[in-house]
Amino acid sequence: EIVMTQSPATLSMSPGERATLSCRASQSVSSNLAWYQQKPGQAPRLLIYGASTRATGIPARFSGSGSGTEFTLTISSLQSEDFAVYYCQQYTNWPLLTFGGGTKVEIE
Amino acid sequence: QITLKESGPTLVKPTQTLTLTCTFSGFSLGTGGVGVGWIRQPPGKALECLALIYWDDDKRYSPSLKSRLTITKDTSKNQVVLTMTNMDPVDTATYYCVHTIYYSSSHWFDPWGQGTLVTVSS
Repeated sequence: EIVMTQSPATLSMSPGERATLSCRASQSVSSNLAWYQQKPGQAPRLLIYGASTRATGIPARFSGSGSGTEFTLTISSLQSEDFAVYYCQQYTNWPLLTFGGGTKVEIE
Repeated sequence: QITLKESGPTLVKPTQTLTLTCTFSGFSLGTGGVGVGWIRQPPGKALECLALIYWDDDKRYSPSLKSRLTITKDTSKNQVVLTMTNMDPVDTATYYCVHTIYYSSSHWFDPWGQGTLVTVSS
């Protein structure tokens, strides 16, 4: 099983700031990585797939980068609606698809 | 527009069998490359992929739960059913139904159902 580790667990930020979230894989997943956003009481929503491709309707302030074992999700200027929990997921090791533990982006 | 909705009991007793139904629209499990999965999330915890089923009836399970899970599809009804036997309080979680694609390694999940909270308690 590929273990996904996200850091930090919590990120305290102010609106307008740039947020950088990290995701590390225990072995290479190439670019087979997705990011999801989950708001309280809601289902996760796909943000990024292929490590860097935004899903339909996702604002340009969200960007993904990385390959192999190190990945980053960047939110260029935090909006109030962006405070949420973010998960990464690898899908290179199908069907053993695994998620990271999540990073909570909270208002400082 | 693809939508999925989970249904089933909100409370089950330990040792009982859980049966959840995912009813979807906007796609067909008769179409090549299409899949539906079940993912769960214990309160305050991370996500875990439980089972996947594809248009060709290929079924895949989490190795740690394989002995307890069964996933089936009814293409004519646009439904996927997940059964989990021998439920335990640690299985308390929100269970999500998701749409996925098999081809071109597109094994991400989009969209997700709203989820259904299942509590295991006597």
